Amino acid sequence: NAGVTQTPKFRILKIGQSMTLQCAQDMNHNYMYWYRQDPGMGLKLIYYSVGAGITDKGEVPNGYNVSRSTTEDFPLRLELAAPSQTSVYFCASSWTGANYGYTFGSGTRLTVV
Amino acid sequence: AQSVTQLDSQVPVFEEAPVELRCNYSSSVSVYLFWYVQYPNQGLQLLLKYLSGSTLVKGINGFEAEFNKSQTSFHLRKPSVHISDTAEYFCAVSLNTGTASKLTFGTGTRLQVTL
Repeated sequence: NAGVTQTPKFRILKIGQSMTLQCAQDMNHNYMYWYRQDPGMGLKLIYYSVGAGITDKGEVPNGYNVSRSTTEDFPLRLELAAPSQTSVYFCASSWTGANYGYTFGSGTRLTVV
Repeated sequence: AQSVTQLDSQVPVFEEAPVELRCNYSSSVSVYLFWYVQYPNQGLQLLLKYLSGSTLVKGINGFEAEFNKSQTSFHLRKPSVHISDTAEYFCAVSLNTGTASKLTFGTGTRLQVTL
């Protein structure tokens, strides 16, 4: 099994550009999450989903959008990239909640210049 | 809302020495507690978790942690570290609500093991 797959691994964006970070899991997990990781700040939750068609905001949702049309996929959309969105982004999934533990993807390193 | 404090941003230690990484949490309701490890340029992996029962939890790679409700702590320990344990370690908490949908992470502790 591939687990959680994130693409791309690296990306450089110019200010104002848009992009979609892809996340797919093949474990039939119901819960999926997007976190961003900044040095010394730990991981901050951007958005999460408890099932197809259901999404909710996390701690730092501004500047991002998500959708969950299938159980497998949970893309993260940046509409107007800003330097403050320079970060490492992690997607994670879980069977039915955090108490089962998350499976993380390997991350997307995004730089906005 | 729940929160997690990792008291040390960096912990240097010699190989084969014991180590303790400290974690304190804050919550008005009961919680689940976790430790994750992140090796360079990788995602996070679950080391161990406390859900209920015995307060001493054993995880992978020889790590263990003890849940102390009175001190609201969940410190991670290993009696003898190896060079390969060099990584960043994150403590995390979620509410004990049954569905417990999301984790709140601490800021991380970088463990640096040297010869």
